[in-house]
Amino acid sequence: AQSVTQLDSQVPVFEEAPVELRCNYSSSVSVYLFWYVQYPNQGLQLLLKYLSGSTLVKGINGFEAEFNKSQTSFHLRKPSVHISDTAEYFCAVTSGGYNKLIFGAGTRLAVHP
Amino acid sequence: GAVVSQHPSWVICKSGTSVKIECRSLDFQATTMFWYRQFPKQSLMLMATSNEGSKATYEQGVEKDKFLINHASLTLSTLTVTSAHPEDSSFYICSASLAQEFSYTFGSGTRLTVV
Repeated sequence: AQSVTQLDSQVPVFEEAPVELRCNYSSSVSVYLFWYVQYPNQGLQLLLKYLSGSTLVKGINGFEAEFNKSQTSFHLRKPSVHISDTAEYFCAVTSGGYNKLIFGAGTRLAVHP
Repeated sequence: GAVVSQHPSWVICKSGTSVKIECRSLDFQATTMFWYRQFPKQSLMLMATSNEGSKATYEQGVEKDKFLINHASLTLSTLTVTSAHPEDSSFYICSASLAQEFSYTFGSGTRLTVV
């Protein structure tokens, strides 16, 4: 069975500081990994995804993530955050095909001025 | 890019009535659609997976007779909450998938309040 662990429920950070949101997964098969962002009372927007190839994935809004198979991690990073990055971030995994996405518990990123 | 329209965005209904939520893929044909439920400050809980023309597959613990899912076409799936009760109040989100592209596009969600 697949599962996703987001180690931090909340991450406070000052504007223009770097941030890392942690995600670890467990799976016995090949995985495909995703990061989504959710603003209040809205659906989810895809930030980036890892399917294969380069382990460093660049996404929208200046975010990037690195797939580390040995550590079963897919941490999300941004070198300089903005107030507008305040939102809930979800890491998700699937084994592909027609399979469902399994979500982590989410990390609330709060950017302070 | 792929767009999924979910309607209504919010609905208030009386206890005992039924509510239908629609999820449409606007510019692509979705092979599979997923329905999620999200409680405040929590993650998304998968309720069911539906493929066009076949019965939905429900996750363990989800009442099939309460949450009716119909996937009549490759662009439309509906979730009907039957005989709604206040404990059904939640945020419901659909997702449409293009399996071959590993693409999962989400609707904007429906806030259901049962009074």
